[in-house]
Amino acid sequence: DAGVTQSPTHLIKTRGQHVTLRCSPISGHKSVSWYQQVLGQGPQFIFQYYEKEERGRGNFPDRFSARQFPNYSSELNVNALLLGDSALYLCASSFPGSTQPQHFGDGTRLSIL
Amino acid sequence: QQQVKQSPQSLIVQKGGISIINCAYENTAFDYFPWYQQFPGKGPALLIAIRPDVSEKKEGRFTISFNKSAKQFSLHIMDSQPGDSATYFCAASNRYTSGSRLTFGEGTQLTVNP
Repeated sequence: DAGVTQSPTHLIKTRGQHVTLRCSPISGHKSVSWYQQVLGQGPQFIFQYYEKEERGRGNFPDRFSARQFPNYSSELNVNALLLGDSALYLCASSFPGSTQPQHFGDGTRLSIL
Repeated sequence: QQQVKQSPQSLIVQKGGISIINCAYENTAFDYFPWYQQFPGKGPALLIAIRPDVSEKKEGRFTISFNKSAKQFSLHIMDSQPGDSATYFCAASNRYTSGSRLTFGEGTQLTVNP
């Protein structure tokens, strides 16, 4: 069975640009969450979507937005990129609920020049 | 209150030894405590998880010990192998936040020497 898939795997952008990252969840999973992992740190929660609605948002500026599609795939958008946005962006999928295990993709490595 | 504190930051163990990683939390609303293993260039992979109504859970060489009164939990890796060398993260999720938002510890870089 396919796990969580993310695209692209690597991306290089310059300051001020916009980026879109994509995620396909495990088949049957309707909840998708996005995390940012800065080098040497644990992942930080950005968003959670379930049934196409935002169910939670972490402490990130409005430059970050996301959406979920009818097939439960999701995309994360970041506007006006800053050097500090350089990180590994991880997508996780799960069944809904706080005690359901989340399964992560291998992420998109975003580098801002 | 949403923090999860993890120690040590790095750990070196000999092959066959026991690796122990500790985590502590403050928020009593946390109701699910998973551990993740992450290799360079890969996403975190779920290792084992526990709920607060259980004091210990074992899966193969991996054991979680949970102390609800102390608000602490730990991962024990028995018979550590060089292939276990990776970064380990503890995490917790809060039953009062909608859905599944994980709060992660800072990570422990484990090196198992052959």
